[in-house]
Amino acid sequence: EAQVTQNPRYLITVTGKKLTVTCSQNMNHEYMSWYRQDPGLGLRQIYYSMNVEVTDKGDVPEGYKVSRKEKRNFPLILESPSPNQTSLYFCASCRLGGTYEQYFGPGTRLTVT
Amino acid sequence: SQQGEEDPQALSIQEGENATMNCSYKTSINNLQWYRQNSGRGLVHLILIRSNEREKHSGRLRVTLDTSKKSSSLLITASRAADTASYFCATIVSGGGADGLTFGKGTHLIIQP
Repeated sequence: EAQVTQNPRYLITVTGKKLTVTCSQNMNHEYMSWYRQDPGLGLRQIYYSMNVEVTDKGDVPEGYKVSRKEKRNFPLILESPSPNQTSLYFCASCRLGGTYEQYFGPGTRLTVT
Repeated sequence: SQQGEEDPQALSIQEGENATMNCSYKTSINNLQWYRQNSGRGLVHLILIRSNEREKHSGRLRVTLDTSKKSSSLLITASRAADTASYFCATIVSGGGADGLTFGKGTHLIIQP
């Protein structure tokens, strides 16, 4: 089954404790991205990647890191989480060169206390 | 940055009625996509309309696109309780790729039984 998976689905952590949210897709998509969703602000893109070892900043990259060492994986790293990073996070992927229809993961609800 | 903007922000109708949501955008586009999000879950692609198309149908969904007004509408006919969700439009700007995809803030649709 074609899918994007994220782990963990829920995470409560404390300020400053490094964490990684994993994202994996099994569709051989070149493009992957991370969004955060906050009430009243909609979906905001954090980082995206056009292919392996190619990443770029989205609209709200501060406080986040990503890596793309393999085509299928695109982890989101919070080196020193802060309460303003409490949010619902989504990973998405799509094939390049087509219509760019996005496939979304189920989401990771992160709470930073 | 967000280009698409949905209207209304929220809509509540009776089951069986038709629901119409609108999306306005600012710059020329390659295509416009509509997504659905059930509460707290990942977005799911519903339908795509290209810039050279004016109307498209998929089951109970009808999408129109007016490039002169830079607007699109999504009509859901004979609504069902299961249609309760948030609906987002997303645009790919002309000449852009997946990195140019931007989402609106969504319309929250409630279908009253």
